[in-house]
Order: sequence, then C-alpha cells, then structure tokens
Amino acid sequence: DSGVTQTPKHLITATGQRVTLRCSPRSGDLSVYWYQQSLDQGLQFLIQYYNGEERAKGNILERFSAQQFPDLHSELNLSSLELGDSALYFCASSARSGASYNEQFFGPGTRLTVL
Amino acid sequence: AQTVTQSQPEMSVQEAETVTLSCTYDTSENNYYLFWYKQPPSRQMILVIRQEAYKQQNATENRFSVNFQKAAKSFSLKISDSQLGDTAMYFCAFIGHQTGANNLFFGTGTRLTVIP
Repeated sequence: DSGVTQTPKHLITATGQRVTLRCSPRSGDLSVYWYQQSLDQGLQFLIQYYNGEERAKGNILERFSAQQFPDLHSELNLSSLELGDSALYFCASSARSGASYNEQFFGPGTRLTVL
Repeated sequence: AQTVTQSQPEMSVQEAETVTLSCTYDTSENNYYLFWYKQPPSRQMILVIRQEAYKQQNATENRFSVNFQKAAKSFSLKISDSQLGDTAMYFCAFIGHQTGANNLFFGTGTRLTVIP
C-alpha cells in the first residue's frame, strides 16, 4: 500500500458526460501528479500540483482540468468525454517539488470506461 | 525534449534464470534520474530501482540491478533468479531537473513473463 488513495476504482459513463476523479496523497506530501495510461498513448503525464498551485502541465486536453485543495487532496475533472478518454488514471504524490528528486508514490488508479 | 525507448515489447524467461530488459533515452540534460517501474496484473505501479545520473556506480536492489551507460544513454534492468511474481509490465522512466518539475517520462513498456 503506497498510502495514496484514489476514488472511485472504476467508473463507467457515456460519451459527452463529465466525471471527477479524486486523489488523496500520502500524509505530508505536497505534490500531486496525474498520469493517464491508455492503450494507444501509453503512460503520460497530465498535470502536477504543488501545495495548491499548478506546477507543470503535460499532455492534458483542454476538456480536462484539475485542482488541489487546501487539505492537499486533488481532483481531476474530465468533461465532454469521448471514447478515447477510456484509460487508467493514476495519481501520484511526492514530498516536494523542484530541483531535488522526490520519489513518487502511485495510487491504485481509477479505471474509466466511456461507452 | 526527453524520450524513453523500450525496444522489447515482450520477453519471457524461465524461472530462476536471468533476464535483461533494455531502455534507451534521449535528453540534453546532464543531471537526471532514471527508474524502472513494475506494473503487475493488479495495475499498481511499483518502483523497482532508480539511478542518479551523476552516480557512476550502478544501482542494485536485491535481485534487480541496472547497467547504466551515460554516454550511450542506455539504462538496462537485469533481473536475477527470476520468480513467478516478477511477471509484469516493466516501464523505464526518466525525470529531468532543468524544467523544475518532477514529472516522469515513461517508455512504452516491456511485458515480462516468467515461465515455471
């Protein structure tokens, strides 16, 4: 158990809908990262938050947005869902952000299926 | 831009034997970290081993070791005494420093099957 929790475990929805994925980082970790794992795109970085502020953006679509709350949990919002958004969405957390390395601990992921 | 390449989509090894998974990367940075992550059928991402680019000594973790060739930008993973529990997808990953962010860049993965 990494200490990172993600809810829900599975999500099935229809095209055009909007969903919210939730992540609680390890106790004390200030950084949260979101990754998407899909069959055609592999594992790719979406976005990072550090202590409530956006720190880095990767290949995140404009239909997707995220935020990190004062209690450090994070939510990833996916809207106008398309079939191609079906994927495993991982959240990871680390202690800090910046020049020095901090190990990222991954949550169990949320499996999103768009029908 | 950083890229990570894993040229072996699938590999298999007999139980108790040794297997090496390949990874090459491309970066203009001089200081960075490299990782191998394991993803078993449960889908959990598990850190296997990491290597800091400024360290010449190859990292080892029990049965797992790496061969880090900085000039060649190569970072292979050797699994000794393979066990059935090693069956998983293995991802090579990279973190650079220059951007100030610590996001991981992943390769496409190698599916390893350990045969009893």
